[in-house]
Amino acid sequence: TQLLEQSPQFLSIQEGENLTVYCNSSSVFSSLQWYRQEPGEGPVLLVTVVTGGEVKKLKRLTFQFGDARKDSSLHITAAQPGDTGLYLCIRGATNKLIFGTGTLLAVQP
Amino acid sequence: GAGVSQSPSNKVTEKGKDVELRCDPISGHTALYWYRQSLGQGLEFLIYFQGNSAPDKSGLPSDRFSAERTGGSVSTLTIQRTQQEDSAVYLCASSLGLENTIYFGEGSWLTVV
Repeated sequence: TQLLEQSPQFLSIQEGENLTVYCNSSSVFSSLQWYRQEPGEGPVLLVTVVTGGEVKKLKRLTFQFGDARKDSSLHITAAQPGDTGLYLCIRGATNKLIFGTGTLLAVQP
Repeated sequence: GAGVSQSPSNKVTEKGKDVELRCDPISGHTALYWYRQSLGQGLEFLIYFQGNSAPDKSGLPSDRFSAERTGGSVSTLTIQRTQQEDSAVYLCASSLGLENTIYFGEGSWLTVV
């Protein structure tokens, strides 16, 4: 079974703190996408990483794709309450999407 | 359309009734997926359509669930004789292909009472 394991599963932090979310797989994948899902809404794409070692930045969010293309991380600097949500890493596989287990982030003001 | 559109956004139905959930994918997207997300649970794969190929129905939880995609565009997920455990958010997504960006609809919240 191809799995994407995310850690931590749940994170509650204060506004202004930094955090990192990890997405790991036992198999190599060609690309990976990070999404954020807010309550009552569908997941919204944040970024797609394609190249091993790639680093992409989206304002206070930094995404990294591991050199071996088996893992990825999302780092948030100076978290804000608006960052609260469920963060998912997702990759395509034969006939279906593989979802990460999800990281639920709560940023307290 | 500009994004994936799902309807209804919210549906409350009585146990035993049939419901239909609709998904309008982004124009030109050949891949369409249905997932559901129950309270406190992860995303559960239901069915996958790719172009004119036979759909992958391996995720449908029972024969009360069916889905079709007409003309390679709009898809309808039908749940017959709904049960309370069917209560969930049903998410539709589309993409140009498995390795392409996946776009999700906002989901259809189904509550079976």
